[in-house]
Amino acid sequence: DTEVTQTPKHLVMGMTNKKSLKCEQHMGHRAMYWYKQKAKKPPELMFVYSYEKLSINESVPSRFSPECPNSSLLNLHLHALQPEDSALYLCASSLLTSGGDEQFFGPGTRLTVL
Amino acid sequence: EDQVTQSPEALRLQEGESSSLNCSYTVSGLRGLFWYRQDPGKGPEFLFTLYSAGEEKEKERLKATLTKKESFLHITAPKPEDSATYLCAVQTDSWGKLQFGAGTQVVVTP
Repeated sequence: DTEVTQTPKHLVMGMTNKKSLKCEQHMGHRAMYWYKQKAKKPPELMFVYSYEKLSINESVPSRFSPECPNSSLLNLHLHALQPEDSALYLCASSLLTSGGDEQFFGPGTRLTVL
Repeated sequence: EDQVTQSPEALRLQEGESSSLNCSYTVSGLRGLFWYRQDPGKGPEFLFTLYSAGEEKEKERLKATLTKKESFLHITAPKPEDSATYLCAVQTDSWGKLQFGAGTQVVVTP
């Protein structure tokens, strides 16, 4: 099973709302990732969690707050977003061995900020 | 600075017309090169991992190859369902950080 699930599929929120995106994998992967993808652009890395600890934060604004409650779950808490934050948010996971590991992506959450 | 460049940006093919996509890279210490397929509004779907020059991987009508400077994704006798954006990505660190190319949008017409 190479499935990564994400909820919700679509989310519309106002600039004063607080919402959360959720991601789950049951492949025993030790690394999980959040990406942001704008239309006709490749995914941009936001955060990397390895062994449930934040390993990489790509200078993402504090209005995005990641959380990794356990090795299978990854959340992205959203607060006071701007319209330019509207995008497809992708979660991915990988084994994290010493070599290169393919990442498996979820279907994404389409976020619209009004 | 690491760079990944894909060409062409877009490709329009007739069904059955074979072609190749290019991914050229300049990186320090390649851990892996990955090909993904992405349909509109969906997450990227993993296709291949290549680790070293000379390596080749095949899956149905797709074949990926790797040299020291570039990778090719060959599409043989494509069908309309092969229409998608094909993304190339490289990994150079131990945290799994991927650097993506801009992608090649492929349209296959009947």
